[in-house]
Amino acid sequence: GQNIDQPTEMTATEGAIVQINCTYQTSGFNGLFWYQQHAGEAPTFLSYNVLDGLEEKGRFSSFLSRSKGYSYLLLKELQMKDSASYLCAVGSYNTDKLIFGTGTRLQVFP
Amino acid sequence: GAVVSQHPSRVICKSGTSVKIECRSLDFQATTMFWYRQFPKKSLMLMATSNEGSKATYEQGVEKDKFLINHASLTLSTLTVTSAHPEDSSFYICSASTTVRGNQPQHFGDGTRLSIL
Repeated sequence: GQNIDQPTEMTATEGAIVQINCTYQTSGFNGLFWYQQHAGEAPTFLSYNVLDGLEEKGRFSSFLSRSKGYSYLLLKELQMKDSASYLCAVGSYNTDKLIFGTGTRLQVFP
Repeated sequence: GAVVSQHPSRVICKSGTSVKIECRSLDFQATTMFWYRQFPKKSLMLMATSNEGSKATYEQGVEKDKFLINHASLTLSTLTVTSAHPEDSSFYICSASTTVRGNQPQHFGDGTRLSIL
């Protein structure tokens, strides 16, 4: 079957670094996506990993280990506007759709 | 690039009304479009997947006669909530992708907040 796990909530301080983990089980793995969703808004695409390793995009980085079924999203120099839900989603060769995790709600405090 | 427009952004209407939501890919051709529903503080729940020119594939538990999906062109999909009732009130979000095999990001519309009185 397909399953994605990520923590429900996290808190961090402005200026700090936070790592949001995601573990998954799927057949025909075809990439892992991270999305950011602010309350009441639609998700916005952050990153895509299909090969093992770290992808860096400014303050955000995403890591993938296919053998471990594991990814993380790393947010550096946290800002108040980073308070949002972060959704991990997995693509598969076997289907058109993405399987989304339940999301991690991150609260950044001053 | 990869802009998806969803309209309307908010609907408030009486019970029994049918509501149509449009989802357009503005600067790319969307092979596949997806419709999601989201309850407060919950994750996205996929309702159906639609490919241009073919019938939508509905997820288990989603009534296809209640949520009519039409994907008439590579840039437009519509979701019609027929005879809406208060329990249909929710945040509905569409997304579009250029691939049929889940290796490209889905690009989301801004969502439609539906409130049925």
